Amino acid sequence: AQSVAQPEDQVNVAEGNPLTVKCTYSVSGNPYLFWYVQYPNRGLQFLLKYITGDNLVKGSYGFEAEFNKSQTSFHLKKPSALVSDSALYFCAVRDGGDYKLSFGAGTTVTVRA
Amino acid sequence: NAGVTQTPKFQVLKTGQSMTLQCAQDMNHEYMSWYRQDPGMGLRLIHYSVGAGITDQGEVPNGYNVSRSTTEDFPLRLLSAAPSQTSVYFCASTKKGTVNEKLFFGSGTQLSVL
Repeated sequence: AQSVAQPEDQVNVAEGNPLTVKCTYSVSGNPYLFWYVQYPNRGLQFLLKYITGDNLVKGSYGFEAEFNKSQTSFHLKKPSALVSDSALYFCAVRDGGDYKLSFGAGTTVTVRA
Repeated sequence: NAGVTQTPKFQVLKTGQSMTLQCAQDMNHEYMSWYRQDPGMGLRLIHYSVGAGITDQGEVPNGYNVSRSTTEDFPLRLLSAAPSQTSVYFCASTKKGTVNEKLFFGSGTQLSVL
């Protein structure tokens, strides 16, 4: 069975500071990893994914994520957070041999001006 | 290009009533899925389909039925609504197994069961 853990319910940062949202995963096969974002009163949007290749993945809106196989982690990062980054962030994983995509519980990010 | 369209946006049901949440996509995506979103529990997969005529269960399938008679449509049926099914429901689709894989989500259906 596959699973995703987002250990922090909330992350609070000041605008201009680095932002990190943590994610660890468990799959039996090769992991396909994703980050999605949900802005208030809007649907979910894709940010970035890791399937294979370079461990550092760059995505939309200046976000990036680092795949660490030994730590089974896929943390989302942004060097300089904006107030507009305030949203609910979801990490997701699927086994490369399957199509079920499992999501974490989500992390609410609040960026204060 | 409409993307993923869900209807209705809001629905209130009484316990025991049945209803169908509609989902349609116009991107020729093979993969379609239904999730429910509950506070503190993230998105949980209800059912999914990898093509017309093929469906499978996700993490929380009980109380829900699906069918996939066409590539475009993937309706979710609640057979006998229960208060535990109060949630926000999202339909999502993607091209299966490509380097451009990413889920496109509908705008959601907020369901209340009284």
